[in-house]
Amino acid sequence: GAGVSQSPRYKVAKRGQDVALRCDPISGHVSLFWYQQALGQGPEFLTYFQNEAQLDKSGLPSDRFFAERPEGSVSTLKIQRTQQEDSAVYLCASSPRPTSLNTGELFFGEGSRLTVL
Amino acid sequence: AQSVTQPDIHITVSEGASLELRCNYSYGATPYLFWYVQSPGQGLQLLLKYFSGDTLVQGIKGFEAEFKRSQSSFNLRKPSVHWSDAAEYFCAVGDRIAHTEGAQKLVFGQGTRLTINP
Repeated sequence: GAGVSQSPRYKVAKRGQDVALRCDPISGHVSLFWYQQALGQGPEFLTYFQNEAQLDKSGLPSDRFFAERPEGSVSTLKIQRTQQEDSAVYLCASSPRPTSLNTGELFFGEGSRLTVL
Repeated sequence: AQSVTQPDIHITVSEGASLELRCNYSYGATPYLFWYVQSPGQGLQLLLKYFSGDTLVQGIKGFEAEFKRSQSSFNLRKPSVHWSDAAEYFCAVGDRIAHTEGAQKLVFGQGTRLTINP
């Protein structure tokens, strides 16, 4: 596709359920980011991949959050035993090179909105 | 830790009026600064960026921003707003990712919601 694609766009989960959110970055993009955006807040960094390597996971809020990118393309963010405070929009972004932020070449998906009841 | 403050949560202006959205940052070195816009149901779109050089930067859609090191500010301006400018605006600073060669992540402010009166 032409842009970063995320699925599902909307997910409703009961508290305690596990969820998986998918990100299809732009083909060939080396860098991939996950952000969490709570209602009325700015996006907050969760984790960063360079190809298949997860180089920064300092933003993951708890060990219930896990992200992977096994083949250096598609990435999945998994949240185990969801809690109400996990309700947010989860944004994925990709860029061609690790230093692409310098050229503004960072492309965001439309996000996956998670609601935990 | 690097941080970004957007003091105004919500601003309302009349169509055709001028606009200034405030942004203050905390960063030890020369910052990489950005403004993004987010329309309902849309992804984040880059308006403009500053890395070095001329402190007044021009962006898309008629927006500009001025970097003022002495005030740690990077305010966004537009001389005359259009109804289509109604959206959420985010200021962000680039923060280096450790153990990489130049990779950076964005640290965002909490955003300013812009409403346009007809």
